[in-house]
Amino acid sequence: GESVGLHLPTLSVQEGDNSIINCAYSNSASDYFIWYKQESGKGPQFIIDIRSNMDKRQGQRVTVLLNKTVKHLSLQIAATQPGDSAVYFCAENMKDSNYQLIWGAGTKLIIKP
Amino acid sequence: ETGVTQSPTHLIKTRGQQVTLRCSSQSGHNTVSWYQQALGQGPQFIFQYYREEENGRGNFPPRFSGLQFPNYSSELNVNALELDDSALYLCASSPGGQGSDTQYFGPGTRLTVL
Repeated sequence: GESVGLHLPTLSVQEGDNSIINCAYSNSASDYFIWYKQESGKGPQFIIDIRSNMDKRQGQRVTVLLNKTVKHLSLQIAATQPGDSAVYFCAENMKDSNYQLIWGAGTKLIIKP
Repeated sequence: ETGVTQSPTHLIKTRGQQVTLRCSSQSGHNTVSWYQQALGQGPQFIFQYYREEENGRGNFPPRFSGLQFPNYSSELNVNALELDDSALYLCASSPGGQGSDTQYFGPGTRLTVL
């Protein structure tokens, strides 16, 4: 079925370096994508979103890139900090499916000191 | 502005029992969605309520049911609990019942079924 998935389950990054987390999606009709951060024992926290009519969107230290040609989404975190350690999920909002979010399995980001 | 709250934080039940989980939406939000998150997995959509009506449902059996109240708070009820129901149950609220609304999550209720 249609799904959103992640390429790498775990990503280790040196503190201060940039992190790039990737995500593939399969539903070409999806029009809205969201990145969430989930720390251990907490609910997902909204990071940034992007609509399908955009290729790039920037937030504070984060950038999301959308490549509709290859159905690929990425989250870039600049100057990674220890507080960035978490599991990151991309989610797809499918307006044709009663607005449910479809999630991938997540990528665990580990920050090395 | 108060965020999304859920109660209880943890719950232990035995197989066959029934459970009710509660969620208070963020101020100004009229839409509540419920998700089940198994350990090490992404959340799975259970259903969504918009202005007290079910607005969509995922692939969950009828023993998962819900309610939304006039103040937009919500309950998730699960009957005849099974061991596989053990998971983190997440509630998310959003402002307007639109597909592109950002959903804001509560901390979740950890349910353990023995």
